[in-house]
Amino acid sequence: GQQLNQSPQSMFIQEGEDVSMNCTSSSIFNTWLWYKQEPGEGPVLLIALYKAGELTSNGRLTAQFGITRKDSFLNISASIPSDVGIYFCAGQRETSGSRLTFGEGTQLTVNP
Amino acid sequence: GAGVSQSPSNKVTEKGKDVELRCDPISGHTALYWYRQSLGQGLEFLIYFQGNSAPDKSGLPSDRFSAERTGGSVSTLTIQRTQQEDSAVYLCASRRSGGAYEQYFGPGTRLTVT
Repeated sequence: GQQLNQSPQSMFIQEGEDVSMNCTSSSIFNTWLWYKQEPGEGPVLLIALYKAGELTSNGRLTAQFGITRKDSFLNISASIPSDVGIYFCAGQRETSGSRLTFGEGTQLTVNP
Repeated sequence: GAGVSQSPSNKVTEKGKDVELRCDPISGHTALYWYRQSLGQGLEFLIYFQGNSAPDKSGLPSDRFSAERTGGSVSTLTIQRTQQEDSAVYLCASRRSGGAYEQYFGPGTRLTVT
C-alpha cells in the first residue's frame, strides 16, 4: 500500500541526547499524527497536528506540520531509556475517508 | 476509560482454515478501522466503518478478507482459506465523531498461518 517516506529507519543514541525524525510525502495531507509502538502493543498516539506550520509539544516531544503540508518532523529532547520503541508518522487526507497512511517507522534505541 | 480491545491476542492456524478476529472499540466512538502490520513494516489500511454508512473496503487485499460491524460497535474481521502471507499483526482502531482525526489503537492480534 501507499506509504510515507520516514527517516531514519533506525537510530542508536545515548541517554540524554536529542533525537529528530521526519516524514515526507509527494502529496498533501490535512492531518499529521505521530505514534509510538512498543513490542507486543498497538501504536499509542503522541501528537496530532492539524494546521500547516503548526508546532505542538507534548512533554519532551515536539512535532511540526510542514508549511507545504507534505512533511512533518518529530523531535525528542533529553532522551531516556523508556523512549525506546518504534515511532510512526501517519497522514490523513480528506479524500481518503480519514484512513491513515503510515510511514515505515523509526526504530529508536537509547543506551543508558 | 477502557481503550480498544482485541481478541484473541495471538492466533495460530493452519493454512486453508478460516479465522475470525474481534475488535471492541472505545465506547461512543463511531468510526472503526482495521489495519495490518507485517513484520518490521508500517501499518496497511484494510477497511473503515463510519456509523451506518457503507464501509470503505478498498484496502482489503483479496476477497478472502471481509469484516462486519454489528450494532455500530463490535467488529469482526474474517479471513477465509488463510495463506501464509496472511501472517501479520491485525490492528483495530477507533475514532470519535466530529472533526478530530485521532485514531486510538488496540493491542492487535498476532496471526500466524502455518
